[in-house]
Amino acid sequence: DGGITQSPKYLFRKEGQNVTLSCEQNLNHDAMYWYRQDPGQGLRLIYYSQIVNDFQKGDIAEGYSVSREKKESFPLTVTSAQKNPTAFYLCASSFLAGGAYEQYFGPGTRLTVT
Amino acid sequence: DAKTTQPNSMESNEEEPVHLPCNHSTISGTDYIHWYRQLPSQGPEYVIHGLTSNVNNRMASLAIAEDRKSSTLILHRATLRDAAVYYCILRDVLAYNQGGKLIFGQGTELSVKP
Repeated sequence: DGGITQSPKYLFRKEGQNVTLSCEQNLNHDAMYWYRQDPGQGLRLIYYSQIVNDFQKGDIAEGYSVSREKKESFPLTVTSAQKNPTAFYLCASSFLAGGAYEQYFGPGTRLTVT
Repeated sequence: DAKTTQPNSMESNEEEPVHLPCNHSTISGTDYIHWYRQLPSQGPEYVIHGLTSNVNNRMASLAIAEDRKSSTLILHRATLRDAAVYYCILRDVLAYNQGGKLIFGQGTELSVKP
């Protein structure tokens, strides 16, 4: 089955530690995205990538880093510089980044930092 | 970015049709109208999108007003599994210039009564 996988589903970390969230897709999509969702809120874009080895900051990139070494993979690192890291993190992909194309989302990773 | 306005919540009875409205009075000629839904603790799910003409797929129908300033998502027979937050999002056909991000508002929370 084609789709997007995110792991783990739940992640707990101590404050001051970096943590990497995994996102893999087998849809052959060029564009990939990371969003963050806080309780009762809509999604906000962290980073996006339209092709391999290239990525751009979204609206709330501070304290996060990404890499795009393979078309299928777009891992997100939440660094200790992120002041409020506890949130629901969603990865998405689309065939192309233009408005005519839908985005497909993974099941999300719920990160709790204490 | 052009904005959308949706009711905060709606109720429906199981097996009855549901009409979810969305106003987008500042829509531009190159904006696609996208609908996504999000079930509790899951990633958003693509539902349907259109530009000018009404659209149908296996999940729903999208009715677009002639002046494109409003649209309606139609679920033909609501089931309990349709209870979710529904987001109406405008996405420019040239969205790749901005990374193709989706801008999520508050959406409409649909509850379905048995």
